[in-house]
Amino acid sequence: QKEVEQDPGPLSVPEGAIVSLNCTYSNSAFQYFMWYRQYSRKGPELLMYTYSSGNKEDGRFTAQVDKSSKYISLFIRDSQPSDSATYLCAMRLNTGNQFYFGTGTSLTVIP
Amino acid sequence: KAGVTQTPRYLIKTRGQQVTLSCSPISGHRSVSWYQQTPGQGLQFLFEYFSETQRNKGNFPGRFSGRQFSNSRSEMNVSTLELGDSALYLCASSLGTARYGYTFGSGTRLTVV
Repeated sequence: QKEVEQDPGPLSVPEGAIVSLNCTYSNSAFQYFMWYRQYSRKGPELLMYTYSSGNKEDGRFTAQVDKSSKYISLFIRDSQPSDSATYLCAMRLNTGNQFYFGTGTSLTVIP
Repeated sequence: KAGVTQTPRYLIKTRGQQVTLSCSPISGHRSVSWYQQTPGQGLQFLFEYFSETQRNKGNFPGRFSGRQFSNSRSEMNVSTLELGDSALYLCASSLGTARYGYTFGSGTRLTVV
């Protein structure tokens, strides 16, 4: 069993829709949670990060962490065609510098 | 401010050959981490270097190795290439401990034929 599970999709939504992306994990010691966005032929870029449980909002993006359920989510409001990309969740322990990634969810926003 | 630079961008090698990939981190960043990205497995951690020392290593065979120079630039080497080594190799840098995430380069796409 992988430490981080993520539905690969693909996910296709109309412009303006609310998108929900999710990951589950098995290691309860994970403390830092991140979402990366990866466009084709590019490296991942950091989108959002949270520490421990709770919500964080940044513009159209909201990240949620539920440590009791070992479940993290990324919500995208008013989705735009430019949001079309692969979204990767990532997490790490309190020590060390290694991140554990989900396999990514491919999102297409249709104009 | 220049980002993380990886060279070359694309590479085609034959089974059994060896390959060296290069990464220049963001100026001032001392930690460099390497990941292998494949469609089935996603991003898998190879190793991390900090101040020329390997600080952490993932579960890859000894054919995968790396090093870091005094200017923080890093190289990774794969010897005796196998078809399964075909992947996007990503380098990421951070100041020290990347508590809230790294900055990634665009990667080197390696194809083994």
